[in-house]
Parts: sequence; structure tokens; C-alpha cells
Amino acid sequence: VQLVESGGVVVQPGGSLRLSCAASGFTFDDFSMHWVRQAPGKGLEWVSLIAWDGGKSYYADSVRGRFTISRDNSKNSLFLQMNSLRSEDSALYYCGRAPHITIPYVIDVWGQGTTVTVSS
Amino acid sequence: DIQMTQSPSSLSASVGDRVTITCRASQGIRNSLAWYQQKPGKAPKLLLLDTSRLQTGVPSRFSGSGSGTDYTLTISSLQPEDFATYYCQQYYSTSITFGQGTRLEIK
Repeated sequence: VQLVESGGVVVQPGGSLRLSCAASGFTFDDFSMHWVRQAPGKGLEWVSLIAWDGGKSYYADSVRGRFTISRDNSKNSLFLQMNSLRSEDSALYYCGRAPHITIPYVIDVWGQGTTVTVSS
Repeated sequence: DIQMTQSPSSLSASVGDRVTITCRASQGIRNSLAWYQQKPGKAPKLLLLDTSRLQTGVPSRFSGSGSGTDYTLTISSLQPEDFATYYCQQYYSTSITFGQGTRLEIK
């Protein structure tokens, strides 16, 4: 079971970025998926959740309206489209899997993260 | 959003000690609480869910309890590999929130 994030770069304030997460070793479309971020030296901040079929998605207040979570079950991939980026969005972004279809709100498998830096 | 407040923010203890970390929610969360362990430079690891259900593979020295707004993580006998930062997470609300973390250090 593995999650590998990619797409993190340095971007200017107001810019956009799309993160990807490639999943392997499990049946991707059986599980809800999350994005969680961690600013340098800070704690964990949950960002977004998408149901196994993409039918429902949820967001933290801090990103709602700016970020969009999506998935492509045919490609075992999770995405996070990030628009109108701010300096406070700078963080290590983790992709995470929920442990079971009936337990969508916790995360039992984590990637190693991809770093987003918002700076001019 | 439901605010999660952990105490203490940091803690020094010795191998073999019994340690308790507390997490208080700003409103009742009906046992919808998980605990994670994070070591420096590593991704978090799920320890417990539903307040007290041990995740597969997690040692039995970890336990959780609580109800309403107040929850605890207890490590019955600290091992060297337990020194890390611990986070609680509520999922009673779909606006999921984490506590600020408790750093457990070697005394």
C-alpha cells in the first residue's frame, strides 16, 4: 500500500497549483481520500476529503472556495487544485487514505508529502 | 469549527513512565476521536480511532478513553520509540480538526 504525492513547487501569491497523489497496492475506489497539510514546524491541518466515488467532498474553512479536491478512479489518482494561493498555504501537503468505506473520516495510510511554497 | 485543545503542549518523561495526554473539544464529539503519532521528518501514524479502538499493529500499551468533550491518550509504559509528537483529531463534524499537538520528550 503506497501513496506518492507530487506537484509541489514554489509559486507566487495569487497563483495556482495542482497536486497529485498516485495510489498503489489497494483498490483505490473502495476508499475515501484526504489532503492534510503541515506548515514548517507547525501542527497538522486537515484540508479536504473526497468520498470513494467522488460524490461528496468536504473542505476546511481556510481553503473552501479556493481549493478543489478530485479523483480519477480509473488512474488510481487523487488531486488537489489550489487557486488564489496565499503565503499561509505554504506547507507540506500529505495525501491520506481512510481505513474503510464505513470509516471515511480518519487516515490510516499517509504519503510522504509534497512541499508547496507560496512566495514572491 | 470544533476546536481541539491538547494538554500539555509538551511533556518530558522517562522510559517506563505512564503518560497521559488530554484532548478537549469545544463541543461534544460523541467519541468521534482519533489519535496519531508523528516522528520528526515522518508522516503521522494512526494509533486509535473511535476514542479507544486500537489500530491494527499498534502496541497495547497505547489506550484511549473519554466521552463528551474530554478524551485521553495513555501510554502505560513508555518505550524509547514512543518519543514523538501526538495529535488528536475529531471527526464528529465533517469539518475535521486536529489538536495542536503534544511533544513527548525524553527526560
